[in-house]
Amino acid sequence: DSGVTQTPKHLITATGQRVTLRCSPRSGDLSVYWYQQSLDQGLQFLIQYYNGEERAKGNILERFSAQQFPDLHSELNLSSLELGDSALYFCASSVREGRPLYGYTFGSGTRLTVV
Amino acid sequence: AQTVTQSQPEMSVQEAETVTLSCTYDTSESNYYLFWYKQPPSRQMILVIRQEAYKQQNATENRFSVNFQKAAKSFSLKISDSQLGDTAMYFCAFMDSNYQLIWGAGTKLIIKP
Repeated sequence: DSGVTQTPKHLITATGQRVTLRCSPRSGDLSVYWYQQSLDQGLQFLIQYYNGEERAKGNILERFSAQQFPDLHSELNLSSLELGDSALYFCASSVREGRPLYGYTFGSGTRLTVV
Repeated sequence: AQTVTQSQPEMSVQEAETVTLSCTYDTSESNYYLFWYKQPPSRQMILVIRQEAYKQQNATENRFSVNFQKAAKSFSLKISDSQLGDTAMYFCAFMDSNYQLIWGAGTKLIIKP
C-alpha cells in the first residue's frame, strides 16, 4: 500500500455521462497530481494542486476539472464522456513544499471504461 | 521544451541475464532529478531508482543501477540477475525546476523463464 488511495478502482459508464474520481494523498503530502494513461501509452499530466490551490496545468480537456479540498483529498471530474476518455487515471502525491526528492507516490489508479 | 526519449519500445531477456534500458533527455537546466519507474501488470507505478544531477556517482539499488552521463544527457537503467518479477513497463522521468515530471514513452521488458 503506497498510502495514496484512489476510488473507485474500476468505473464503467456510458458516453455523455459525468464521473468523479477521488484521491486521498499520502499522510503529510500537500501536492496532488492527476495523470491519464491510455492503453499501452505513457502518462499524460493533467493537473496539479498544492494545499488547495491549482499549481500547474497540463493537457487537461475543458470537459475535465479538478479540485483539492481543505482535508487535502482531491477529485477529478470528467464530463460529457467520450470513448476516447477510456483510460487509467492516476493520482500521485508528494511531500510538502520544495522539490520532491523521491519523486511522487502513486495510487493504484482508477480504470475508466466508457461504452 | 524538455523531452525524455526511450528508444526501445520492447525488450526481452532470459531470467538471470543482465539488461540495460536506455533513456535520453533534453534540458537546459543544470540541477534536476531523474527517475526510473516500474509499472508491472498490476498497473501500479513503483519508483525503482533516482539520480540527482549534481551527483557524479551513479545510483544503485540492489540489482538496479544507473549509468548517468550528464554531458550526453543519458540515463540508462541496468538490471542485473533479472527475475520474472521484473517483467513490467519501465518509464524514465525527468523532474524539471517546477517539480513536474516529464515522462518517456516507456519500455516493455519481458523476462523469460
